[in-house]
Order: sequence, then C-alpha cells, then structure tokens
Amino acid sequence: EIVLTQSPGTLSLSPGERATLSCRASQIVSGNYLAWYQQKPGQTPRLLVYGASSRATGIPDRFSGSGSGTDFTLTISRLEPEDFAVYYCQYYGSSLTFGGGTKVEIK
Amino acid sequence: EVQLVESGGGLVQPGRSLRLSCAASGFTFDDYAMHWVRQAPGKGLEWVSGISWNSGNIGYADSVRGRLTISRDNAKNSVYLQMNSLRAEDTALYYCVKGLSSTWLYYFDYWGQGTQVTVSS
Repeated sequence: EIVLTQSPGTLSLSPGERATLSCRASQIVSGNYLAWYQQKPGQTPRLLVYGASSRATGIPDRFSGSGSGTDFTLTISRLEPEDFAVYYCQYYGSSLTFGGGTKVEIK
Repeated sequence: EVQLVESGGGLVQPGRSLRLSCAASGFTFDDYAMHWVRQAPGKGLEWVSGISWNSGNIGYADSVRGRLTISRDNAKNSVYLQMNSLRAEDTALYYCVKGLSSTWLYYFDYWGQGTQVTVSS
C-alpha cells in the first residue's frame, strides 16, 4: 500500500510569495494517479489538481502541479489571501490514500 | 446543484454499531462511484471506503476492513456505511463524497457537510 508523506507540515509565507508543497510516495505512482485538494477551516475539501498536473475546472492558473514517480509538487505562484489553507495530496491508483497535509499559514 | 446530505451519526459506546446514510441529488447517481471519507478533530483526511456505480467493486481502508461495510441503493439515490464493532479511533466527522468516475479508484469532486460519529463510553 502506498504511503504519501507531505512536507513541510506547516509553511509560513506572506501574500504574494511563492509556495512549494511536496508530496512523496513510498512507491512509484504509475499513471500519475495523484490529486491535490485544498481545505479551508470549516469547509469541505476542493479538488485543485488531478493526474499530477491537470488543473480542475475553475481553479486559477496560479496553482500548478508537477512531478512523477515518487515525488510530486503543488506550486502556488503568488499567494492570495484566500489561499491560506491546508493542502492534501491523494493517490488513487491501486488504492486510495491521502497524505497528512500541509498547512499554509500567513507569516 | 449537487447535494450530498449525510445522516445517522451520533454518540455510541465502544463495540456498538451505527449506520450512516447519504442522500444524493443533482446528478445521475448510478453513473458515479461514491465514497466515505473521515476526519478526526483537528486531523487530516482519511479515506474509509468506496463503491463503484453498480456495487460491483468495493474498497476499504485497512483500518476499517471487516468492521465497516459500504452499500448503495441506486433506486433511492443513497449510499450507506454500516459501522460495527466501533472503536474510539473511529471518532470523526464522516463525509459522503462523490467520485468523478464510475469506478471507485478515482479522485473526488463533491463533498457533503458530514455527520459526526463519537465513540465513547
């Protein structure tokens, strides 16, 4: 079973800065079956990226996903005030699992 | 508008059972897989179980296999989670989630607001 490890646990940044979030898998993720979600306090998660790099409908282009094999990255090019939230990666290949999450907080 | 409305949560003693229900509307229910995902207070997301469009394929997290059972009734646009032998570590907000495919091995698009399950004596 694939285990996803997200780092860092918390990222402290200012609006306008670039955020780089990491998701590392314990085994190779074939087919790039990797998604990213955003969850704000008191809200349900929102799909951002699927297939490692495809943006979901309505997601701003400041969000981008990349990576392959065991190392994946979610990049937010310029943080907007509404982007401060918790981000989860998800594997959906031979099983389903979430990473532990990265909290992006205002510095 | 897609709506997923969970019910059936509550306070239950360890070892007892509970059945969660999710009523879906706003989409063609029998075209899509459905899931249960839980989130313990202040913790991350944990996928619990998923069921394909026709109940032909079902998956469970290792932590719940053998105790929790997912099912669906396409005639009633509903999905269920039968929870037996409950433990304190099952305490969480349980979300009903719609997949973006007929198979359960896929990502998600819509989430319900959740129903709280608390296991405590």
